Amino acid sequence: GENVEQHPSTLSVQEGDSAVIKCTYSDSASNYFPWYKQELGKGPQLIIDIRSNVGEKKDQRIAVTLNKTAKHFSLHITETQPEDSAVYFCAARYSGYSTLTFGKGTMLLVSP
Amino acid sequence: KAGVTQTPRYLIKTRGQQVTLSCSPISGHRSVSWYQQTPGQGLQFLFEYFSETQRNKGNFPGRFSGRQFSNSRSEMNVSTLELGDSALYLCASSPVGSNNEQFFGPGTRLTVL
Repeated sequence: GENVEQHPSTLSVQEGDSAVIKCTYSDSASNYFPWYKQELGKGPQLIIDIRSNVGEKKDQRIAVTLNKTAKHFSLHITETQPEDSAVYFCAARYSGYSTLTFGKGTMLLVSP
Repeated sequence: KAGVTQTPRYLIKTRGQQVTLSCSPISGHRSVSWYQQTPGQGLQFLFEYFSETQRNKGNFPGRFSGRQFSNSRSEMNVSTLELGDSALYLCASSPVGSNNEQFFGPGTRLTVL
């Protein structure tokens, strides 16, 4: 089955800096890669996703890149703010199958 | 549009008991998936229901079961609770079973004593 590795497990940055979280997946048939943000006491919230026919996608301060050959994808957050502090999860899913396989998560701490 | 709702939000049980958790998907969504979240194992897939049928099942023992009703609401049941079942149980809904985004509810925090 699919396996998703996520790094780093914790990331501390200063407000205004950029943050990058990286994930690798094992199954070359995977074609959908969402990113979720989970705040304390809440369920994961979908913040951005990318499909395998696209190399990069942006939404304001957030961007995701995908390298299908290397089987890795990354989340980039620019101009970080304290409210970006949360746990971020990457996930992968392959076509015709609805199950998401998640990475272990990255705790992002943005200091003012 | 209202999001995914889960009840109850918190639950305390003792070993050997059984528990039923409920999930109401976003209106119009027909697929409901359940995940278990623990600090050690992260988010793990339990099962998915679509149109009242279980479409996929994760690697969990038979003590974990679920069902979906005609209005797409779903329940999951855990029988003969063990200490290791303590976790946050998350429900996610999708408009169609595959190739669509999954939206999560706030979860039910289950503590087994």
